[in-house]
Amino acid sequence: DAGVIQSPRHEVTEMGQEVTLRCKPISGHDYLFWYRQTMMRGLELLIYFNNNVPIDDSGMPEDRFSAKMPNASFSTLKIQPSEPRDSAVYFCASSFQGSPPYEQYFGPGTRLTVT
Amino acid sequence: DAKTTQPPSMDCAEGRAANLPCNHSTISGNEYVYWYRQIHSQGPQYIIHGLKNNETNEMASLIITEDRKSSTLILPHATLRDTAVYYCIVRANRDDKIIFGKGTRLHILP
Repeated sequence: DAGVIQSPRHEVTEMGQEVTLRCKPISGHDYLFWYRQTMMRGLELLIYFNNNVPIDDSGMPEDRFSAKMPNASFSTLKIQPSEPRDSAVYFCASSFQGSPPYEQYFGPGTRLTVT
Repeated sequence: DAKTTQPPSMDCAEGRAANLPCNHSTISGNEYVYWYRQIHSQGPQYIIHGLKNNETNEMASLIITEDRKSSTLILPHATLRDTAVYYCIVRANRDDKIIFGKGTRLHILP
């Protein structure tokens, strides 16, 4: 398996623009997680899905952030409008909760810079 | 908030055993101890987990104290590639979330 795939790997955009980050989880995994990592705040869970349904979005910073999972093999995280404080590395992870150890497999991340 | 306490950084000589401590004094009976690591510019990677018995796999060993209030991750023969941030996490095995703390930045010295 290719692992969790994220695109783009790097994104530079101007403040006010819409940004869409993409994730393809590992085939057969039933959970998908979106994280954000900054030096100041560390690794934060934004939202996660189970069987394509959002379960907990309490970590989403504000209404400018939205996430969708239209099918089991694809998810997006959208920021509209983007702000400089959104600059971070965004990770997608997936896991299979049917049997232990319920480990999460992380993608390589998308480094977002908002100028 | 993370339920664990780890030293912010540690050094270890290459080829020696790296012992990374973690305190989790409020751990509940159904909660496991998980370890992940994050090598620079990569996503976190699962290492090992345990409930109360010591565990060993191809990457590391996990020693959990009898009262389960602390644990130690052991990398038996550290290499330069083990330089990373190591996260100790407490979670119920079927709980969905992983809450990452600040972790321990491990430097392997040549």
